[in-house]
Amino acid sequence: AQTVTQSQPEMSVQEAETVTLSCTYDTSENNYYLFWYKQPPSRQMILVIRQEAYKQQNATENRFSVNFQKAAKSFSLKISDSQLGDTAMYFCALRNNAGNMLTFGGGTRLMVKP
Amino acid sequence: DAMVIQNPRYQVTQFGKPVTLSCSQTLNHNVMYWYQQKSSQAPKLLFHYYDKDFNNEADTPDNFQSRRPNTSFCFLDIRSPGLGDAAMYLCATSRESGETQYFGPGTRLLVL
Repeated sequence: AQTVTQSQPEMSVQEAETVTLSCTYDTSENNYYLFWYKQPPSRQMILVIRQEAYKQQNATENRFSVNFQKAAKSFSLKISDSQLGDTAMYFCALRNNAGNMLTFGGGTRLMVKP
Repeated sequence: DAMVIQNPRYQVTQFGKPVTLSCSQTLNHNVMYWYQQKSSQAPKLLFHYYDKDFNNEADTPDNFQSRRPNTSFCFLDIRSPGLGDAAMYLCATSRESGETQYFGPGTRLLVL
């Protein structure tokens, strides 16, 4: 069985500052994929960033980057220059290479304050 | 724009009255998924289709069924909704098994 844990139920950050959301996971697989999804209030869930476990280089998408520590099974998301539109629930998710099922963490509710 | 569409966005039904939620996609993806997301919780996979092959998660209640008449459409049928089935239902697609999943906006189901 695989598990994903997000230890921060809620976080807040001032606009233009940087915030890091934590995620740890457990899996017995060696090949897998990790994702961060964003779900704004009353809006659909969208993919923010993905990381393939066999790649050592941390994924980056504009203001979003990850710190992937495979040995520690840690996959944190850093949001730089936070914007009001970043206010949302953020879910960390894990999928094994051979599987279809996404295992989600419990989510972190991020509030960006003006 | 290619997308995942869910209708309706909000659905109200009565306790025990069958209800169907629909999902369509213009992405021509092979795999379609249904998730249940209760308030302030993570989405939970109910089942998925690879093409016409149906895959049920072990703990999905029998009350939930699904149909996929063609590549573009997938339906979630709740045969006898209970109060505990009130949730957001998310449809997602992926091009192939194991690839990135793209989500629709969800249908929020209220059971009276």
